[in-house]
Amino acid sequence: EAQVTQNPRYLITVTGKKLTVTCSQNMNHEYMSWYRQDPGLGLRQIYYSMNVEVTDKGDVPEGYKVSRKEKRNFPLILESPSPNQTSLYFCASSSGSNQPQHFGDGTRLSIL
Amino acid sequence: QKEVEQNSGPLSVPEGAIASLNCTYSDRGSQSFFWYRQYSGKSPELIMSIYSNGDKEDGRFTAQLNKASQYVSLLIRDSQPSDSATYLCAVNRGGADGLTFGKGTHLIIQP
Repeated sequence: EAQVTQNPRYLITVTGKKLTVTCSQNMNHEYMSWYRQDPGLGLRQIYYSMNVEVTDKGDVPEGYKVSRKEKRNFPLILESPSPNQTSLYFCASSSGSNQPQHFGDGTRLSIL
Repeated sequence: QKEVEQNSGPLSVPEGAIASLNCTYSDRGSQSFFWYRQYSGKSPELIMSIYSNGDKEDGRFTAQLNKASQYVSLLIRDSQPSDSATYLCAVNRGGADGLTFGKGTHLIIQP
C-alpha cells in the first residue's frame, strides 16, 4: 500500500529536549515536505526537499532542521523545542513539486 | 507574496444540494491547483487536481479554474453529511517550493 508514515503520532515533551519526527514514504517520490497546522493559520510549509541531499526552507523554518540522506526518509528535527512549536505536523510526498502531495497521518506535538 | 484565500465559513448546505467552494490566488504564474478534504484531526486527502482553464469532473465533484480571474472553485453535487469537512485549496506556482494552502472552508451538510 502506498503510504507516508510518520512517527511518533503523539508526543508530549519539555522545552529544550531534542526530538526527531521521522517520515518515510514507499512511493519512490523525489519531493518531500513538512508542514505545521495551527488553528486560524492553516497549513504552513516548514522545509521541503527536491531530492536526496537537496533541502530548502519553507515559510516557517525557524527552530527546525531536516535532512534527506535517503530518498524515502525525511526526518524533522527540533534541536531545542519551545512551547510555540506545539502544533500538528504533517509530512507529505509527491513525484514532483507541482504534483499532488500525499500526506502522512500527522504528529501531534506538545512542548511544555 | 504567496497568497491563497478562502472564505473560512462555516458554509451550511442542505443534504442533496450543491455545495460551492471558492478560492482565489495572488500569483499569476501559478500552474497547478488542488482541492483537499480534511476531517477534524485527520490528514488532508486529495479530491481534485486541475491544471488548465475550464471544468474537470470526477463523480460528484467538479473543479473549475479561471486563470484570468485567478479563481478556482469546487462544486459538490448531491451533498451528503459525510461531505462535512474542511476543504483546502492548494496552489503551486511551478517552482520548487511546492504547494501554498489556503486556510480552508468549513463545510457543513445539514441532513
